[in-house]
Amino acid sequence: SAVISQKPSRDICQRGTSLTIQCQVDSQVTMMFWYRQQPGQSLTLIATANQGSEATYESGFVIDKFPISRPNLTFSTLTVSNMSPEDSSIYLCSGRGTDTQYFGPGTRLTVL
Amino acid sequence: AQSVAQPEDQVNVAEGNPLTVKCTYSVSGNPYLFWYVQYPNRGLQFLLKYITGDNLVKGSYGFEAEFNKSQTSFHLKKPSALVSDSALYFCAVAAGNKLTFGGGTRVLVKP
Repeated sequence: SAVISQKPSRDICQRGTSLTIQCQVDSQVTMMFWYRQQPGQSLTLIATANQGSEATYESGFVIDKFPISRPNLTFSTLTVSNMSPEDSSIYLCSGRGTDTQYFGPGTRLTVL
Repeated sequence: AQSVAQPEDQVNVAEGNPLTVKCTYSVSGNPYLFWYVQYPNRGLQFLLKYITGDNLVKGSYGFEAEFNKSQTSFHLKKPSALVSDSALYFCAVAAGNKLTFGGGTRVLVKP
């Protein structure tokens, strides 16, 4: 199984600022994803992080708000830009191995 | 488009009793089905999966799930629940490259 780490684990940010979340997997995965989760709620897919090219975004999510990079097979970043209190959530990185998807511990973001 | 339903927001069970968490799905083609567990302030942990083969799938921590194609269900079960099983459980279905999650079921195991 893949072990996925994220930094930071949590942060409190001011409205209008940006935060970049880093995700590292310990083995090569075929795909990487970013999800958002309100505490106690289900997960919503933000985008698929593509190595060396632009991410593929789900409906309701745009690159200007959530720019994503994946410079190699095992590392990705998600930036939450121009934050508002509505962006307060848990952001989860995920990597898919052969046929199973694994998740990082999440980044708990609070926007004041 | 694929979808997953977890009809119970919460399941309460006494320690030592059987635990069942329900899940039904809708997907075109063959379903790839998963169960994950999330403990407080933690990420999702993989429990088990059904890809093909035996309808009864065994996973981590004594959990198992039964795939029923005719009822489009994939219920999670544990014969004897522990207090430490108290957590949030998610069923998910994969179609193509995307994993779609159910709304989650909170399990509370009382001593």
